[in-house]
Amino acid sequence: AQSVTQLGSHVSVSEGALVLLRCNYSSSVPPYLFWYVQYPNQGLQLLLKYTSAATLVKGINGFEAEFKKSETSFHLTKPSAHMSDAAEYFCAVSVRIYNFNKFYFGSGTKLNVKP
Amino acid sequence: DGGITQSPKYLFRKEGQNVTLSCEQNLNHDAMYWYRQDPGQGLRLIYYSQIVNDFQKGDIAEGYSVSREKKESFPLTVTSAQKNPTAFYLCASSIVASVSNQPQHFGDGTRLSIL
Repeated sequence: AQSVTQLGSHVSVSEGALVLLRCNYSSSVPPYLFWYVQYPNQGLQLLLKYTSAATLVKGINGFEAEFKKSETSFHLTKPSAHMSDAAEYFCAVSVRIYNFNKFYFGSGTKLNVKP
Repeated sequence: DGGITQSPKYLFRKEGQNVTLSCEQNLNHDAMYWYRQDPGQGLRLIYYSQIVNDFQKGDIAEGYSVSREKKESFPLTVTSAQKNPTAFYLCASSIVASVSNQPQHFGDGTRLSIL
């Protein structure tokens, strides 16, 4: 069975501090992994994706994520938080089922950035 | 700019009423999807379509119906059989559904509430 677990439904950091959002996945096949960001009352925007070319993936807005197969993790980081980073973040895994690639989403982590 | 347009942004349904949510894309994507988002639950797949005139049930299709008569359009009808329709509905698309590393692109959502 495929699933995505995001540890911590709410994370709070100070402006300028490190952001670390955790994502662990379970998959019986090599996964394709994604991070999305959602601002209030908006859709999801793609931050970055892992597609096996490199374990450290750089995305937009200074975010990056590292794929660790041994830990089945794909944690999202940003060295210095900005107020505009306050949003909800979703980790997703794409798994092939017959001729369809199904996305499994985590339950999301809301990031609060304190001034 | 290419993208996905969902309308209306807010929708109210009376008891026993069917309502239709619109989703239009100009990305020339073959695959389209409908998700339901509830607080703290991530996204759940309602229906998906890989090509015109074809669609498949997702994980929570009961009480919903779709059509795919044109490549650009994938409307979702929430029927009176859906007893708990209050949620945020997201439409997404991808180039094709059969390629694993392709991200999904999202519209800005429709928030449906019961009167």
